[in-house]
Amino acid sequence: NAGVTQTPKFRVLKTGQSMTLLCAQDMNHEYMYWYRQDPGMGLRLIHYSVGEGTTAKGEVPDGYNVSRLKKQNFLLGLESAAPSQTSVYFCASSLIQGVNTEAFFGQGTRLTVV
Amino acid sequence: GQQVMQIPQYQHVQEGEDFTTYCNSSTTLSNIQWYKQRPGGHPVFLIQLVKSGEVKKQKRLTFQFGEAKKNSSLHITATQTTDVGTYFCAGHDSGTYKYIFGTGTRLKVLA
Repeated sequence: NAGVTQTPKFRVLKTGQSMTLLCAQDMNHEYMYWYRQDPGMGLRLIHYSVGEGTTAKGEVPDGYNVSRLKKQNFLLGLESAAPSQTSVYFCASSLIQGVNTEAFFGQGTRLTVV
Repeated sequence: GQQVMQIPQYQHVQEGEDFTTYCNSSTTLSNIQWYKQRPGGHPVFLIQLVKSGEVKKQKRLTFQFGEAKKNSSLHITATQTTDVGTYFCAGHDSGTYKYIFGTGTRLKVLA
């Protein structure tokens, strides 16, 4: 049981390049989230999804797009990378059944935009 | 929008000393969760509090949810080097299913 898997783990992009980060979970969770983590700013929600085929904006959605074509996968896209998007990106998923709302995180993707 | 603040941002303690981090939300929370992130790692769920005034313990860790459900605290008794990491609180919005994380408190324990 792998849990939440993110690929790639590291990436260096040049300004203006595009890329897609993949998040896969094998726990049959409905809810999936993309966060970015920057020093002193905690975890900020970029986009999230409450089920297959649905997406919604979080706190800092600008410059990112997402898709949830399959329940187990949540993709985060950067169309034209900027240095301000240098960060560590975490994907999370949760079941949210009754009072059970624990979120499970992937190992993270460290992205540097030069 | 909803904001969750944590203080302090950093804390250095001598091994054996106690440690407390505080979490304050701008709005009433359905529940509050606490996560721990080891250096270089990812956040890992510790506990969830749901009821007003609730207190839960996990060995040396004591978690408390305020009466108004807008604040929470995590207290560690007699810290150990294994407690090193960043502790986050997270408010869960039962209407939108979003988790709003606090800014985190980074704990260093000096042996």
